[in-house]
Amino acid sequence: NAGVTQTPKFRILKIGQSMTLQCTQDMNHNYMYWYRQDPGMGLKLIYYSVGAGITDKGEVPNGYNVSRSTTEDFPLRLELAAPSQTSVYFCASSIDNEQFFGPGTRLTVL
Amino acid sequence: DQQVKQNSPSLSVQEGRISILNCDYTNSMFDYFLWYKKYPAEGPTFLISISSIKDKNEDGRFTVFLNKSAKHLSLHIVPSQPGDSAVYFCAASRVNTGNQFYFGTGTSLTVIP
Repeated sequence: NAGVTQTPKFRILKIGQSMTLQCTQDMNHNYMYWYRQDPGMGLKLIYYSVGAGITDKGEVPNGYNVSRSTTEDFPLRLELAAPSQTSVYFCASSIDNEQFFGPGTRLTVL
Repeated sequence: DQQVKQNSPSLSVQEGRISILNCDYTNSMFDYFLWYKKYPAEGPTFLISISSIKDKNEDGRFTVFLNKSAKHLSLHIVPSQPGDSAVYFCAASRVNTGNQFYFGTGTSLTVIP
């Protein structure tokens, strides 16, 4: 089991560019999540999904979009990157109230 | 609105002594609580959890205590080891509500050899 994998590990974007952060899990978990962690802050939920075809907003969804076409994949899309989106992004999946996290993507928007 | 709070950003403890990390929450509907450990450049990893029907859960050197009336939980690490040096996050959720988890801001623990 690879668990939860995220790509890329690092990325620098220019203001206004777009990109997709990839997340894949091989544990057949129905629940998947995207968080961002800013320096000195906790993890803030961006979007989550309770199963393929179903997504919902978390605490900080503005500027992001997600899709969930399969159980395994949960990509996060940034359409118009802004400096406020500079952060570390974590994808997670869960079963029975325990979350499993990927290693994170460090994104810088300049 | 921060529903889960960790008021101590950092904590230093001598090796072999007890580490106590604290966490407070505001939403009385939370009924499941977790602690995660995070090393630099890695994702958080699950450490220990407790359901609201219990007041204590123990796993080896790690014990979590829950005081529902005070809306407070704590993580005890005994004895502390240098490898425990990491950032610890507490998290809370309401079971069967989409499994949304709310995280505290983290406490950076340093165990001094």
